[in-house]
Amino acid sequence: GAVVSQHPSWVICKSGTSVKIECRSLDFQATTMFWYRQFPKQSLMLMATSNEGSKATYEQGVEKDKFLINHASLTLSTLTVTSAHPEDSSFYICSARDVNSYEQYFGPGTRLTVT
Amino acid sequence: AQKITQTQPGMFVQEKEAVTLDCTYDTSDQSYGLFWYKQPSSGEMIFLIYQGSYDEQNATEGRYSLNFQKARKSANLVISASQLGDSAMYFCAMRTNTGNQFYFGTGTSLTVIP
Repeated sequence: GAVVSQHPSWVICKSGTSVKIECRSLDFQATTMFWYRQFPKQSLMLMATSNEGSKATYEQGVEKDKFLINHASLTLSTLTVTSAHPEDSSFYICSARDVNSYEQYFGPGTRLTVT
Repeated sequence: AQKITQTQPGMFVQEKEAVTLDCTYDTSDQSYGLFWYKQPSSGEMIFLIYQGSYDEQNATEGRYSLNFQKARKSANLVISASQLGDSAMYFCAMRTNTGNQFYFGTGTSLTVIP
């Protein structure tokens, strides 16, 4: 089956620093990837839609200057949390849409803790 | 706007019994898909079952079945013969053909009691 990986699986960073999270489709190409955020005991909320070769589309209330998204290839999208603060601590999950089948597959998630 | 409602924050079921997790949805789109995902404590989203809006028969996948009632806009998940490993969060989700992103419900925490 199709596999989506995320790296790192968990990360701890200090307040004010930036952290980059990678989302890779391992055995298929994805022109579209989605980034979700999940706070403890809550649901997944869409943050942004990442399109290969173009600017990401952000959901209302998500700061695009804080959450930088780059989708430079058909298999890789990155989310950079800039100037992280403790309130950015969350579980970040990506999903990738197969360019051929249009099926979507979730990555295993990245747990970010900002101290 | 799309909306998914799961009214059961927590459910308990005896091992080997069946359990139904409720899900209702709201959309003005005619073409959409309904999904159920299992999320164990590790956090990964495990796909369980899918129902298309035009599918006339209820979807089944092993011990999982989806009770789809289109007129009532409900898509309940039925887990038969519950196992201890079924203890997890369960999310109902919808994806429309226009937006392609998933809309998730608030989830139901299922605990299987030995």
